[in-house]
Amino acid sequence: DAGVIQSPRHEVTEMGQEVTLRCKPISGHDYLFWYRQTMMRGLELLIYFNNNVPIDDSGMPEDRFSAKMPNASFSTLKIQPSEPRDSAVYFCASSRIGLAGEGEQFFGPGTRLTVL
Amino acid sequence: TQLLEQSPQFLSIQEGENLTVYCNSSSVFSSLQWYRQEPGEGPVLLVTVVTGGEVKKLKRLTFQFGDARKDSSLHITAAQPGDTGLYLCAPASGGSYIPTFGRGTSLIVHP
Repeated sequence: DAGVIQSPRHEVTEMGQEVTLRCKPISGHDYLFWYRQTMMRGLELLIYFNNNVPIDDSGMPEDRFSAKMPNASFSTLKIQPSEPRDSAVYFCASSRIGLAGEGEQFFGPGTRLTVL
Repeated sequence: TQLLEQSPQFLSIQEGENLTVYCNSSSVFSSLQWYRQEPGEGPVLLVTVVTGGEVKKLKRLTFQFGDARKDSSLHITAAQPGDTGLYLCAPASGGSYIPTFGRGTSLIVHP
């Protein structure tokens, strides 16, 4: 398996533009997570899906952020309009949760977003 | 949300030294995970500890889960430059599975 795939790896955009980040989880994994990482705030969970259904989006900063998972092999995180404070590395991770609730998260390489 | 405190926040040491980093919480965890994140990459799972008092070894890394399952430590013996990275802890399970990572310990091992 190729692991979790994210695109693009780097994105530079101007304030006010729409940004779409993409993720392909590992086949067979039933959980998908979107994180944002900054020096100031560390690794923050934005939203996660179970079997393509959003379970908890309490970490999504505001209405400018939205996430979808139309099928088991694809998810998007959209920021519209983007702002300079959205600059961060965005990670997607997938997992298969065991019977005891444990699970290893497999992270993608991340998308480094810079909003000018 | 189960809040995890990690310490120290930063650690810069010479090759060959020993070190310990900590992950603490006021909550009880069913199990806890440690991840390492190398520069420019996503975190990678090192270990899951599930039993209070459990000790797991991964080569030069020793992980311990507190008896009360509220804290954990990671001890590295004879650190190598390849150990450089961000060490993160997170709960591995729970009734509501919401993985909340600690802020991490950033380790630099100088040759």
